[in-house]
Amino acid sequence: AQTVTQSQPEMSVQEAETVTLSCTYDTSESDYYLFWYKQPPSRQMILVIRQEAYKQQNATENRFSVNFQKAAKSFSLKISDSQLGDAAMYFCAYRRGNQFYFGTGTSLTVIP
Amino acid sequence: ETGVTQTPRHLVMGMTNKKSLKCEQHLGHNAMYWYKQSAKKPLELMFVYNFKEQTENNSVPSRFSPECPNSSHLFLHLHTLQPEDSALYLCASSQDLASGRADEQFFGPGTRLTVL
Repeated sequence: AQTVTQSQPEMSVQEAETVTLSCTYDTSESDYYLFWYKQPPSRQMILVIRQEAYKQQNATENRFSVNFQKAAKSFSLKISDSQLGDAAMYFCAYRRGNQFYFGTGTSLTVIP
Repeated sequence: ETGVTQTPRHLVMGMTNKKSLKCEQHLGHNAMYWYKQSAKKPLELMFVYNFKEQTENNSVPSRFSPECPNSSHLFLHLHTLQPEDSALYLCASSQDLASGRADEQFFGPGTRLTVL
């Protein structure tokens, strides 16, 4: 069974600094997709960044980038120049076919 | 109204009640999902619909009954629930389930369900 593990229940970062959230997953498949979603307090979950497993190049979206290590089954999210609006719950997710698996989330606090 | 909407936002029900959750998406998508979000647990995918056809039922108890009358609407009918069913129920939609694409899921705000 596929599982997604986020080993950091809570993280904090100083405003303007960089933080990395970790995610590992378990799969025997070679073709799949990975996502990071953000859920701000009392607001809807939104996509932060996505990665296709067949692509070796790490995805980037402005201040957000990933470190995708396929052999290690690791998919970490780096947030650069952290802003107060980045404070949220971050979920790592894996998709294979019609199945989606999420981690337990990492709560990120941004300190002014 | 745009995006994915869910009603009601909050629901309190007894174990013998029957209620329904509603989800509507205004994005022209063809795939819709129900998730259960409980504290300290991973988001659990419950049901998946693609072009109104159910494609996945992840061993969800029969007291949860989904309905997808068209690609824009998704319902979750609830009956004889248990207290452990209390959670945030999220609806999501995406373009469709075509393979080879990392389609983004758009989530609704959720329905906070409390079962007494």
